[in-house]
Amino acid sequence: ETGVTQSPTHLIKTRGQQVTLRCSSQSGHNTVSWYQQALGQGPQFIFQYYREEENGRGNFPPRFSGLQFPNYSSELNVNALELDDSALYLCATRPGVDSNEQFFGPGTRLTVL
Amino acid sequence: DAKTTQPPSMDCAEGRAANLPCNHSTISGNEYVYWYRQIHSQGPQYIIHGLKNNETNEMASLIITEDRKSSTLILPHATLRDTAVYYCIVRVDSGSARQLTFGSGTQLTVLP
Repeated sequence: ETGVTQSPTHLIKTRGQQVTLRCSSQSGHNTVSWYQQALGQGPQFIFQYYREEENGRGNFPPRFSGLQFPNYSSELNVNALELDDSALYLCATRPGVDSNEQFFGPGTRLTVL
Repeated sequence: DAKTTQPPSMDCAEGRAANLPCNHSTISGNEYVYWYRQIHSQGPQYIIHGLKNNETNEMASLIITEDRKSSTLILPHATLRDTAVYYCIVRVDSGSARQLTFGSGTQLTVLP
């Protein structure tokens, strides 16, 4: 158990819809990263938030956006869903921007039909 | 970005040491090597990381070659619960963003 929770655990959407995924971290973990993991592949970095601002982004289009709240919880929003967005979405938190270990949540399984 | 190459799968007998290799020949001097593992349907779990020196913790040992082009993760006494996908990762720091670039990993199966 890492103390990182994600909701919902599973979600089914249709193409073109929008989705919001949520992540809550351990107390004091002020940095959160989001990853997308397609079936059979390793996780791919989407972006990182620190002190409520995005401060790093992977190779994902702008329809992937996020928020971090004052309590350090976080949201991942995906607009105009495509079939290829079907994946496990993972958030990972750490206690500081300089800390070495990231603590991953169990993920949200998104299926786009 | 430095990329890693791992064998797709390995088997290990329970109680024996599991040695998982990783090649990262394009790694830069300030890039760390990380190892995570992922048990089916769970989030990845941190194991160990290193820069130049060998490292050991309660879970595993990390051996990094002198030229830093490859490394080996050692699980000294593998158990059935160590069956998982093991990812060797080179951490890329872009400003204050610490991006873990995962490859396809090695499926380790510990056999009874």
